[in-house]
Amino acid sequence: GENVEQHPSTLSVQEGDSAVIKCTYSDSASNYFPWYKQELGKGPQLIIDIRSNVGEKKDQRIAVTLNKTAKHFSLHITETQPEDSAVYFCAASIIPMNNNAGNMLTFGGGTRLMVKP
Amino acid sequence: NAGVMQNPRHLVRRRGQEARLRCSPMKGHSHVYWYRQLPEEGLKFMVYLQKENIIDESGMPKERFSAEFPKEGPSILRIQQVVRGDSAAYFCASSPFSQRRTISGANVLTFGAGSRLTVL
Repeated sequence: GENVEQHPSTLSVQEGDSAVIKCTYSDSASNYFPWYKQELGKGPQLIIDIRSNVGEKKDQRIAVTLNKTAKHFSLHITETQPEDSAVYFCAASIIPMNNNAGNMLTFGGGTRLMVKP
Repeated sequence: NAGVMQNPRHLVRRRGQEARLRCSPMKGHSHVYWYRQLPEEGLKFMVYLQKENIIDESGMPKERFSAEFPKEGPSILRIQQVVRGDSAAYFCASSPFSQRRTISGANVLTFGAGSRLTVL
């Protein structure tokens, strides 16, 4: 089955700096790569996702890059703010061609991001 | 849209008791997934259900754990004869039905706030 590794496990940055979190996956058939943000005591919230037919996607201060050959993808957060402090999870899955098919995500171990004011 | 609703948010059980966790998916969503999160760890897939059907339960322990998603009502994750190792946060997610996987938003999982089970 799929295995997703995530690094680093903790990341501390100064407010305004950039943060980069990296993930690798094992199954070359994986074609969907979301990133979730989890705040203390809450459920994961989707912040951005990318599908295997593109190499990069950006949404304001957040961007994700995908290297299918190397089987790794990264989350980039620019101009970090204290409210970006949370645990971030990457995930990977295979979205099949079947109609009405599900999406079973395999998650990385998480990165605790701390943004110091 | 109230989102994915889970209850109870916190549940305390003694060893040997039963725990029942409930999940109501987002309106219009027909796929439900259960994940378990141990302290300081990532989320582990347990089971994927559609209405009245278990599609994939490869991540769910064979004994003591069961899940259902009836025609009417919420999805239920049931843990019988709980042990201390069952203490965790259990998250439910839902996704919409889509005939075409390329539609933007299709297959995107929305998570609930979780149910935190403590076994004494």
